[in-house]
Amino acid sequence: GAVVSQHPSWVICKSGTSVKIECRSLDFQATTMFWYRQFPKQSLMLMATSNEGSKATYEQGVEKDKFLINHASLTLSTLTVTSAHPEDSSFYICSARDSTETSPLHFGNGTRLTVT
Amino acid sequence: GQNIDQPTEMTATEGAIVQINCTYQTSGFNGLFWYQQHAGEAPTFLSYNVLDGLEEKGRFSSFLSRSKGYSYLLLKELQMKDSASYLCVSMDSNYQLIWGAGTKLIIKP
Repeated sequence: GAVVSQHPSWVICKSGTSVKIECRSLDFQATTMFWYRQFPKQSLMLMATSNEGSKATYEQGVEKDKFLINHASLTLSTLTVTSAHPEDSSFYICSARDSTETSPLHFGNGTRLTVT
Repeated sequence: GQNIDQPTEMTATEGAIVQINCTYQTSGFNGLFWYQQHAGEAPTFLSYNVLDGLEEKGRFSSFLSRSKGYSYLLLKELQMKDSASYLCVSMDSNYQLIWGAGTKLIIKP
């Protein structure tokens, strides 16, 4: 089945630094990728929708200058958390969908970010 | 507006059957997904319904009634590993996904 690889699985960084998270579709071309954030015991929250070759669409309340998304190829999207702060500590998950809109989302395993 | 409603939490006994209901209101409709999410892990795909009726996949079945804006996920022969959150996700006419908050299912021995 379709596989989405997300890297790193976990990362600890110091406040003020930037962290890049990668999301790759391994055996299909993902025209659309999604980035989510999930705080402990809370629902999955969509942050942004990333379309290959175009600017990402951010959900209301998500700072586009803080969460930089790049989707340069059909198999790779990256999320960079810039100038991270402790309140950015969360579980970040990506998902991808192939060219068929009604195909199910395939999720990466998530990245647990801890900002100290 | 667009909305998904599902119970916050349910409890069931190992070996039993449980039905998790979901009602949705979306601008147009292009199908409904169910996902399972264990704590600390990413969601995994369970089912997709776009036509009315019941789709069965092993111990899990999903039902859809488009006229009622209603779906349920049925889990049979419950196992302890089924303890997880179950997310109901609707897709609107623009193929945008509307996520429910999830139903936390607790399985007791």
